[in-house]
Amino acid sequence: DAKTTQPTSMDCAEGRAANLPCNHSTISGNEYVYWYRQIHSQGPQYIIHGLKNNETNEMASLIITEDRKSSTLILPHATLRDTAVYYCIAQGTSGGYNKLIFGAGTRLAVHP
Amino acid sequence: GAGVSQTPSNKVTEKGKYVELRCDPISGHTALYWYRQSLGQGPEFLIYFQGTGAADDSGLPNDRFFAVRPEGSVSTLKIQRTERGDSAVYLCASSVQGTSTDTQYFGPGTRLTVL
Repeated sequence: DAKTTQPTSMDCAEGRAANLPCNHSTISGNEYVYWYRQIHSQGPQYIIHGLKNNETNEMASLIITEDRKSSTLILPHATLRDTAVYYCIAQGTSGGYNKLIFGAGTRLAVHP
Repeated sequence: GAGVSQTPSNKVTEKGKYVELRCDPISGHTALYWYRQSLGQGPEFLIYFQGTGAADDSGLPNDRFFAVRPEGSVSTLKIQRTERGDSAVYLCASSVQGTSTDTQYFGPGTRLTVL
């Protein structure tokens, strides 16, 4: 499974877009990019995942570069409740199941 | 609907004691995962169940750790002769089938403190 690199921490003003980068330069063709977040004292929460194409759901958008070596999670209008640790995971499909391998993540602080 | 639940939410024990941590997955989910999270780190995979069987227990740190899921629903993580280094939050997750793109739904975790 590909290793991912994320900034340790980021700040964002409430109401602005939060753009969280992730590098996964060793990602292979069958590895998906997943994003989870963990709000303090809670379990991780799934946000979004993608393989090659950009994806959007009610929580966020995921932009994956054409070479797939990096991606950006976009929270279009950050709120105080989006303050959390965000994990980017590049995960293969071998074995037919999803054993998530978390790194240290990015600690996002949304401020008024 | 009900999510993944874990009991107890907090457990304090003494070094050398035996503990059991319980996970109730979302109803109908066949896949169940246990993770462990130490302070300031991301969760670390321990074991994966597909139905009643442990399909991958490669993350269990040693033979003091054991997990069961006898009826394919509730799972219990058992730790014998606890050590201070076992102190962590133990997270359980479940997914519908356990396929490689299944979304995992996490419980709130059990915070284990070994004195």
